[in-house]
Amino acid sequence: DVKVTQSSRYLVKRTGEKVFLECVQDMDHENMFWYRQDPGLGLRLIYFSYDVKMKEKGDIPEGYSVSREKKERFSLILESASTNQTSMYLCASSFGRGSLAFFGQGTRLTVV
Amino acid sequence: AQSVTQPDIHITVSEGASLELRCNYSYGATPYLFWYVQSPGQGLQLLLKYFSGDTLVQGIKGFEAEFKRSQSSFNLRKPSVHWSDAAEYFCAVGASRDYKLSFGAGTTVTVRA
Repeated sequence: DVKVTQSSRYLVKRTGEKVFLECVQDMDHENMFWYRQDPGLGLRLIYFSYDVKMKEKGDIPEGYSVSREKKERFSLILESASTNQTSMYLCASSFGRGSLAFFGQGTRLTVV
Repeated sequence: AQSVTQPDIHITVSEGASLELRCNYSYGATPYLFWYVQSPGQGLQLLLKYFSGDTLVQGIKGFEAEFKRSQSSFNLRKPSVHWSDAAEYFCAVGASRDYKLSFGAGTTVTVRA
């Protein structure tokens, strides 16, 4: 089974902190994604990466950055956390274009 | 740009009754279509997918979906709902030339006894 593992299920951070969300996949997938999930808005793509050290902005990249130094690991960085970044963050991976995505369990981040 | 609309925010259905969730997409070429389910506190699990071929696709947990190109729809159905089907359901669209999927806003299903 494909496994996408997010380092934390729940996080509470203070406004202005630098926050790292980590994601690891074990199926040698080329593509990795970070989505944000909010009630009534569904999943919105923050950033994705189709290869090591490559990244592309999604629909809502403002306030976020990403890092992909190794194929299996994709990190989401909140440079200076704000309360409007309180949300559920979902990492996903996939192989090739147009293919289905496998999701991690999600990280519920609260910024206070 | 591709987009997905799930017109129903919330549906309540009795256990044993049938369920249909609507999904409409907008995309210029032949889409790849997916339905995912998310139980409370969990990540998304794939129910079924459509890439090509037979427009009626079968998935896990007794779900099926039908692709109708003329209506730009990919509705999800289940003949008899179980209490464990209470969850949030997401329709998603992708394409052979795209890396990413676009998701609808989701439909929450409540099952009453």
